[in-house]
Amino acid sequence: EDKVVQSPLSLVVHEGDTVTLNCSYEVTNFRSLLWYKQEKKAPTFLFMLTSSGIEKKSGRLSSILDKKELFSILNITATQTGDSAVYLCATGAGSYQLTFGKGTKLSVIP
Amino acid sequence: DAGVIQSPRHEVTEMGQEVTLRCKPISGHNSLFWYRQTMMRGLELLIYFNNNVPIDDSGMPEDRFSAKMPNASFSTLKIQPSEPRDSAVYFCASTAALGGRSYEQYFGPGTRLTVT
Repeated sequence: EDKVVQSPLSLVVHEGDTVTLNCSYEVTNFRSLLWYKQEKKAPTFLFMLTSSGIEKKSGRLSSILDKKELFSILNITATQTGDSAVYLCATGAGSYQLTFGKGTKLSVIP
Repeated sequence: DAGVIQSPRHEVTEMGQEVTLRCKPISGHNSLFWYRQTMMRGLELLIYFNNNVPIDDSGMPEDRFSAKMPNASFSTLKIQPSEPRDSAVYFCASTAALGGRSYEQYFGPGTRLTVT
């Protein structure tokens, strides 16, 4: 059974801090790893990574995949209160479906 | 361009009643997914369709749950009879899946179901 584990489960930081969220996986026929941000509504897509060692960036967010060690990290620099959310990691395998981790709840306090 | 549309946004019903959740995927997307999210279990895939055909329904909890996709622009998830443990947020998501690749899925706003 495919497994996606995120850590930490929750995190509280001050505005301006840098955070690193972790995602490890055990997936048969791994194809891709995706990050989503979920505020009080639906998950919204952030990144999809398929190649090892290539960083994807969007503003203050960046992510990288290590296919040898089977993990990914999501970095957020200069955090803002608007970054407060649950961050979900998901893997895509041989079929079209995604397997989601339980998420990391990030709280950014002023 | 409209995203994934779900209705109703909130549903409160009594145990034993039938509940029908509706979803309209993004135009042009050929795969549709139904998820359930709870605090305890996180986001769980219930069933997904590719080109209107159910591909994997192994996540459907029991026979009380059924899903249909009569055409490319509409799907329903039905619970009959509903039970309090079915209370959760139900999300529909869609993607344009080709050649076995996993593409990013786009989620609807969800239906918050409460069964009393």
